[in-house]
Amino acid sequence: GESVGLHLPTLSVQEGDNSIINCAYSNSASDYFIWYKQESGKGPQFIIDIRSNMDKRQGQRVTVLLNKTVKHLSLQIAATQPGDSAVYFCAETNTGNQFYFGTGTSLTVIP
Amino acid sequence: ETGVTQSPTHLIKTRGQQVTLRCSSQSGHNTVSWYQQALGQGPQFIFQYYREEENGRGNFPPRFSGLQFPNYSSELNVNALELDDSALYLCASNRGGGGAQSQTQYFGPGTRLLVL
Repeated sequence: GESVGLHLPTLSVQEGDNSIINCAYSNSASDYFIWYKQESGKGPQFIIDIRSNMDKRQGQRVTVLLNKTVKHLSLQIAATQPGDSAVYFCAETNTGNQFYFGTGTSLTVIP
Repeated sequence: ETGVTQSPTHLIKTRGQQVTLRCSSQSGHNTVSWYQQALGQGPQFIFQYYREEENGRGNFPPRFSGLQFPNYSSELNVNALELDDSALYLCASNRGGGGAQSQTQYFGPGTRLLVL
């Protein structure tokens, strides 16, 4: 079956520092990946995505890196702010319909 | 905020009852997926509907069923509720139909179901 896991369940960073959240996936056929942010009591919010034909993609303060050789995905958040505190999920698919989610990493930003 | 809406926001049922959850997709989206998220876990795929037909199903028993309507809104029905069905039920919509951005799923706020 599919397995999408995270290296660290919790992460604490100082406000203003950069954050790096990691994710491992097991299906080498996965071709599309999304990072979601989920705040307490809310649904997952799209942050950034990347396709398997890319190894890096940048957004506003966020960067996603994909290493297909070791099946690893990371989310980098620059200048982390208190509003970034949330649970972050990576999700992957190889079918285009069913996404597999990891357990999530809880990010806490310390003021 | 996405344009995906869900109702109700919270629901309490007893074991053995049936429940219907509703979802309205974002404008321009013809595909709806349902996920179950247990406390402290990532969302688990239940099924997807594309143009009113089921288009993929996860590892959930047949008592989980769904519908999609011509306006692309959707319902999730769960029969014979069990205690373990207590979870946040999430609906996500995407444009579907192929193309670079057609797979990107946008989530609603969820329905919190408690089974007693």
